[in-house]
Amino acid sequence: NAGVTQTPKFQVLKTGQSMTLQCAQDMNHNSMYWYRQDPGMGLRLIYYSASEGTTDKGEVPNGYNVSRLNKREFSLRLESAAPSQTSVYFCASSERDYDSPLHFGNGTRLTVT
Amino acid sequence: AQTVTQSQPEMSVQEAETVTLSCTYDTSESNYYLFWYKQPPSRQMILVIRQEAYKQQNATENRFSVNFQKAAKSFSLKISDSQLGDTAMYFCASTLTTGANSKLTFGKGITLSVRP
Repeated sequence: NAGVTQTPKFQVLKTGQSMTLQCAQDMNHNSMYWYRQDPGMGLRLIYYSASEGTTDKGEVPNGYNVSRLNKREFSLRLESAAPSQTSVYFCASSERDYDSPLHFGNGTRLTVT
Repeated sequence: AQTVTQSQPEMSVQEAETVTLSCTYDTSESNYYLFWYKQPPSRQMILVIRQEAYKQQNATENRFSVNFQKAAKSFSLKISDSQLGDTAMYFCASTLTTGANSKLTFGKGITLSVRP
């Protein structure tokens, strides 16, 4: 059982380039999330999707867009990367948004130069 | 703003001893959910333990247990018989509410080192 799969694992971008982080879960979960992890900041929510067809902004949405392609897939797009977006990105999913634990992917380390 | 606070950035414990990691939170809600996650050097986020605020009994999972003090808004994690594999970053998190569109809010984390 793969759980939550996110790609790529590592990425280096130049300022202004764009990229899409892919995430898929095979647990039939309703809710999916994108977090970023920075030293000393914990995990901060970028965007989430409580159910298929809905997306909402989290704590730090600026510079990002998301697409809930179907129940399994939730992608995160950086349209014009900036050095401030250098971070580790985690995709996660949960059965429900209000009480279920999150299942995380293995993370993507993104460096923007 | 509703928050989750982990005030200790780092802790160290001798193998086989017991250590307690602190967490406080701020919410005006009466029901919510609390979690501890572990992040070893592999970077994988692993659920350690889950607590429902309306349950008075403290959750336990093998060597891991919590001390949940609802009135004090405190949710500490106790690790008994510490093992080298417990070396990791630990994050406290809470929904801070329930109902549609509840989301987990994380603390900043604490780095735990287990000494041989």
